[in-house]
Amino acid sequence: AQSVAQPEDQVNVAEGNPLTVKCTYSVSGNPYLFWYVQYPNRGLQFLLKYITGDNLVKGSYGFEAEFNKSQTSFHLKKPSALVSDSALYFCAVRSPNTGGFKTIFGAGTRLFVKA
Amino acid sequence: DAGVIQSPRHEVTEMGQEVTLRCKPISGHDYLFWYRQTMMRGLELLIYFNNNVPIDDSGMPEDRFSAKMPNASFSTLKIQPSEPRDSAVYFCASRTKKDSPLHFGNGTRLTVT
Repeated sequence: AQSVAQPEDQVNVAEGNPLTVKCTYSVSGNPYLFWYVQYPNRGLQFLLKYITGDNLVKGSYGFEAEFNKSQTSFHLKKPSALVSDSALYFCAVRSPNTGGFKTIFGAGTRLFVKA
Repeated sequence: DAGVIQSPRHEVTEMGQEVTLRCKPISGHDYLFWYRQTMMRGLELLIYFNNNVPIDDSGMPEDRFSAKMPNASFSTLKIQPSEPRDSAVYFCASRTKKDSPLHFGNGTRLTVT
């Protein structure tokens, strides 16, 4: 079975500082990994994905994530946080080999960026 | 492209009533997913369709829940009879290829009193 863990319920960071939101996964075979962001009263919005190739992927709004196969992690990062980055962030995994075409989401991490 | 469209945005109903949630996926997307979001359980996949055919409904909580996709541009999620514990935000999402991201609607917030 596939699963995703986001170990932090909340991350607090000062504006201008780098941010990291952690994600680890468990899946058989090669995973497809995604990050989404959710603002209040809205659906989830896609930020970036890792399918294959370069372990460092870049996405929307200056976010990036690094795929680490040995640690089964896919942490989301941004060099300099903005107050407007405050939102709920979800890591997700899809395993085409064993999980069908389902996308499974982590519990979410709330990011607070203070001015 | 208008994105995934869900209706209604809010639904308040009394216990025992039938509730129907609607979704219009993005044109050309072959896959459609229904998720439920609650504080306690996070995002749960209820059911998904491929080319209008239900593929996996193992996440549907019980027989009170049913979903249909009569054509490529419309899907419904029905709860009959509704119960207070069904109160949640229900999302519809669609996508194309297996490595494509999901596109979410803005959800339907259901409150059952």
